[in-house]
Amino acid sequence: AQSVTQLDSQVPVFEEAPVELRCNYSSSVSVYLFWYVQYPNQGLQLLLKYLSGSTLVKGINGFEAEFNKSQTSFHLRKPSVHISDTAEYFCAVIRRGYQKVTFGIGTKLQVIP
Amino acid sequence: DAMVIQNPRYQVTQFGKPVTLSCSQTLNHNVMYWYQQKSSQAPKLLFHYYDKDFNNEADTPDNFQSRRPNTSFCFLDIRSPGLGDTAMYLCATTSKTGITYNEQFFGPGTRLTVL
Repeated sequence: AQSVTQLDSQVPVFEEAPVELRCNYSSSVSVYLFWYVQYPNQGLQLLLKYLSGSTLVKGINGFEAEFNKSQTSFHLRKPSVHISDTAEYFCAVIRRGYQKVTFGIGTKLQVIP
Repeated sequence: DAMVIQNPRYQVTQFGKPVTLSCSQTLNHNVMYWYQQKSSQAPKLLFHYYDKDFNNEADTPDNFQSRRPNTSFCFLDIRSPGLGDTAMYLCATTSKTGITYNEQFFGPGTRLTVL
């Protein structure tokens, strides 16, 4: 079975500062990796995904993530955050060939004006 | 626009009073999921349909049932809601062919409050 660890439950950051949200996973087989964002009282929206190929993945809203197989990490980064980025971010993993997604517990990003 | 729609967005029910949540999709996806998300927690998969095949998670209470009458619609029935069932319920869909996986598309959720 696979698992996902999001190391920070809350991350406060000043507006226009860079941010990194950390995600580590464990799996004995190949996986697909995702980052989702959830705004208050809304569903989850896909930010970006890693299926194969280039380990640097660019997503929506200026976010990017890097897949590091040796460190089993998939950290999310943005060089300059905006107030509108305040939300909860979930890292997720799925085993190749399966339909079941495993989510991390989420990281609340709070952008401070 | 193709999308995943959930109704109602907010639902208040009394302890023990059955409730049904609805999900519809215009994406023609063959896989539909129901998740329960409690406050400040990750979404927890309750069950999913792969076409007409129902797949229940081992720890999903018997109180939770689901129906998928056609490709577009899926329902979550809670037969006797308890206070602990207060949560956001998320519907998601995906298209799966063979071993190829595509990302899940989520609806906006139904926030259920049990009083």
